[in-house]
Amino acid sequence: EPEVTQTPSHQVTQMGQEVILRCVPISNHLYFYWYRQILGQKVEFLVSFYNNEISEKSEIFDDQFSVERPDGSNFTLKIRSTKLEDSAMYFCASIVLRGEQYFGPGTRLTVT
Amino acid sequence: AQSVTQPDIHITVSEGASLELRCNYSYGATPYLFWYVQSPGQGLQLLLKYFSGDTLVQGIKGFEAEFKRSQSSFNLRKPSVHWSDAAEYFCAVGLNTDKLIFGTGTRLQVFP
Repeated sequence: EPEVTQTPSHQVTQMGQEVILRCVPISNHLYFYWYRQILGQKVEFLVSFYNNEISEKSEIFDDQFSVERPDGSNFTLKIRSTKLEDSAMYFCASIVLRGEQYFGPGTRLTVT
Repeated sequence: AQSVTQPDIHITVSEGASLELRCNYSYGATPYLFWYVQSPGQGLQLLLKYFSGDTLVQGIKGFEAEFKRSQSSFNLRKPSVHWSDAAEYFCAVGLNTDKLIFGTGTRLQVFP
């Protein structure tokens, strides 16, 4: 069964550094998403991406964040200058057109 | 604004007992409704979903949920809980083809 994959599983970085989280969505899916979950809290929507552009973003998704689909398979989330409060689990998800979002296993980002 | 409420932060049940986890949503139309389960340190696994039609939906692992439009609820049930069901359970609302809004989660603890 096809699945969404994410790399790395755990990323440790120092405050102020740039990080890129990578996701490979399911191949025939058209919509892509990033969510984050701060430890012990609920899952929060960050951004949705369709047809090579952002379709919606939350207030969390400020200028420090960017997304890109650099080729036909990868979908990346970049945090330009990480802050301590960016420490969280980041989930990628994808969907064909309508219905169930398929989630990846997540990347745990630790900012020290 | 759209929202999802899971009023029970923590529920403890004995193995073999029945379970009901509550979920209420606030949205102007009938959204897509989901229940996800998350084991510690793991990703999100879809238990079941409601898009339309029969208001009682069956999911994996013996779970079911009932959509009640009049109560704006989508409660999750299981007739007999197993120790392996101990996890965090998230109700989520899907808005058209875009973002999911998650509830704050219910942590289920199962005693032998």
